[in-house]
Amino acid sequence: DAEITQSPRHKITETGRQVTLACHQTWNHNNMFWYRQDLGHGLRLIHYSYGVQDTNKGEVSDGYSVSRSNTEDLPLTLESAASSQTSVYFCASSEPDQETQYFGPGTRLLVL
Amino acid sequence: TQLLEQSPQFLSIQEGENLTVYCNSSSVFSSLQWYRQEPGEGPVLLVTVVTGGEVKKLKRLTFQFGDARKDSSLHITAAQPGDTGLYLCAGGGGAVGGSEKLVFGKGTKLTVNP
Repeated sequence: DAEITQSPRHKITETGRQVTLACHQTWNHNNMFWYRQDLGHGLRLIHYSYGVQDTNKGEVSDGYSVSRSNTEDLPLTLESAASSQTSVYFCASSEPDQETQYFGPGTRLLVL
Repeated sequence: TQLLEQSPQFLSIQEGENLTVYCNSSSVFSSLQWYRQEPGEGPVLLVTVVTGGEVKKLKRLTFQFGDARKDSSLHITAAQPGDTGLYLCAGGGGAVGGSEKLVFGKGTKLTVNP
């Protein structure tokens, strides 16, 4: 069965360190998205991609970057982790011209 | 500015009661989606409504899209403990500036007590 996976599921890091969160989908979807979920804010879009070599900034992109070298993967990098980036991160994918998104299980990140 | 306002934010009810969750906006969307999220998991799509005035039913859940495509509601009849979770509405197209992006409401955390 097709799926979308995220790793690690839990991560503790220190401020200033670079952190990369992995997202891998086997749906063969062109569209991929990264969100963060925080109490009081809901899901907010960080970055998204509509295909290989395409990346776009979302609502809360400062301090984050993504790269899309193949269809299956969209890693999210925190260049220099800050305590404000402590959150639960979700990756999602969708088919072109379709609004239904399929979500991964999430990565819980704690920045100390 | 939050494009989608959900209410209530929290709801705790007894098994067998009915409830309605609202998702409102001043903006027009091409579609409204409802997701359900359980602790430690990602959101899972329940339904998509695309036509103004559309009503969809999923067992005990009834979803409605407003005539002007600015708001939606989720009604649960005879709630059960298995309905417990975070309910998220999400709007696509129109106000979001691209049909494939979604904007999410903050969610309604529902607890159904046995």
